[in-house]
Amino acid sequence: DAGITQSPRHKVTETGTPVTLRCHQTENHRYMYWYRQDPGHGLRLIHYSYGVKDTDKGEVSDGYSVSRSKTEDFLLTLESATSSQTSVYFCAISGLGSQGLVNYGYTFGSGTRLTVV
Amino acid sequence: GESVGLHLPTLSVQEGDNSIINCAYSNSASDYFIWYKQESGKGPQFIIDIRSNMDKRQGQRVTVLLNKTVKHLSLQIAATQPGDSAVYFCAEMGNINTPLVFGKGTRLSVIA
Repeated sequence: DAGITQSPRHKVTETGTPVTLRCHQTENHRYMYWYRQDPGHGLRLIHYSYGVKDTDKGEVSDGYSVSRSKTEDFLLTLESATSSQTSVYFCAISGLGSQGLVNYGYTFGSGTRLTVV
Repeated sequence: GESVGLHLPTLSVQEGDNSIINCAYSNSASDYFIWYKQESGKGPQFIIDIRSNMDKRQGQRVTVLLNKTVKHLSLQIAATQPGDSAVYFCAEMGNINTPLVFGKGTRLSVIA
């Protein structure tokens, strides 16, 4: 979607290595989220941010950390990747945006497909 | 991608028919509900939303119904088209400051 980009789009990494996924937005939205999507589980919240340097844990936060040093970037780090973290990761944004409009519905990025071997 | 669709309930409809996708939500205090559409290889896309003080809301070819008594949400798609084929998710939010919680999704398959 325009205004939110995720990088990389695909990544293969080895068990035990650290991995960082990036979410970048140009909408100036306050809230940013990281979800993972797995067969049979739908989308599950990992971590979210409600402002610069303000983050909180979601349902499946173990093994993940996040950082938000500026409004436009939200980083997700797998501290030591495991095979159970093979998944598709989605970033989303919501909140009062640059045009003064409130967006309660989330806008999602295109996802990062991560494979841990 | 396609692997996300494994294990999902599937609804198959003829092109031109109406589709009804159902969702049971968990939190009786949820104030806000959204339906998303996800096509293969893409992120979920907002379709329509409804607040808890409403029981029906209509958009273009879509209608969302909310029954708070039985904690049930449905999405109706009129005159279903091949481009409607996708996975559909309902999501609920306790209030605007709490993150969305997603259901597991339903795959809609449109038969031409």
